Amino acid sequence: EAQVTQNPRYLITVTGKKLTVTCSQNMNHEYMSWYRQDPGLGLRQIYYSMNVEVTDKGDVPEGYKVSRKEKRNFPLILESPSPNQTSLYFCASSSEGGRYEKLFFGSGTQLSVL
Amino acid sequence: KQEVTQIPAALSVPEGENLVLNCSFTDSAIYNLQWFRQDPGKGLTSLLLIQSSQREQTSGRLNASLDKSSGRSTLYIAASQPGDSATYLCAVYSSASKIIFGSGTRLSIRP
Repeated sequence: EAQVTQNPRYLITVTGKKLTVTCSQNMNHEYMSWYRQDPGLGLRQIYYSMNVEVTDKGDVPEGYKVSRKEKRNFPLILESPSPNQTSLYFCASSSEGGRYEKLFFGSGTQLSVL
Repeated sequence: KQEVTQIPAALSVPEGENLVLNCSFTDSAIYNLQWFRQDPGKGLTSLLLIQSSQREQTSGRLNASLDKSSGRSTLYIAASQPGDSATYLCAVYSSASKIIFGSGTRLSIRP
């Protein structure tokens, strides 16, 4: 089954404790992206990747890191989480950079930073 | 800077009605526009994708139209059902590989 898999589904952590949210897709998509969703602010792009070893900042990249060493994986790293990073996070992927094909989303990761 | 707006933020209609959801965008230089459905606590599911050269797309009871010149798209849902209750978001693919989302319309279908 074609899917985007995120882990964990829920995560509670404390300020400053490094964490990684994993994202994997099995559709051989070149394009992958991370979003955060906050009430009243909608979905905002954090980082995106057009292909392996190619990443770029979205609208709200501060406090986040990403890497794209393999085509299928695109982990989101919070080196020193802060309470303002409490949010619902989504990973998404698409072929052809998302220009001509649908965007597929993972089920989300609800992160709480205390 | 591209901005995407969805009005209304919430809509409640009785079962069986046909309804229209609206999406507007400020910059007509887009590659495509997508409509998504999001159920509470879940991810987004792409419903329809309209390329910039297309005027509309249909899938079952759903029909989406695109008017680039006026910066508008509509999602038409025919014969609404309680299972259609969800939040519907539109997103445009603009230049520089940016996908910009609207804030969504929360739809409730009353049995």
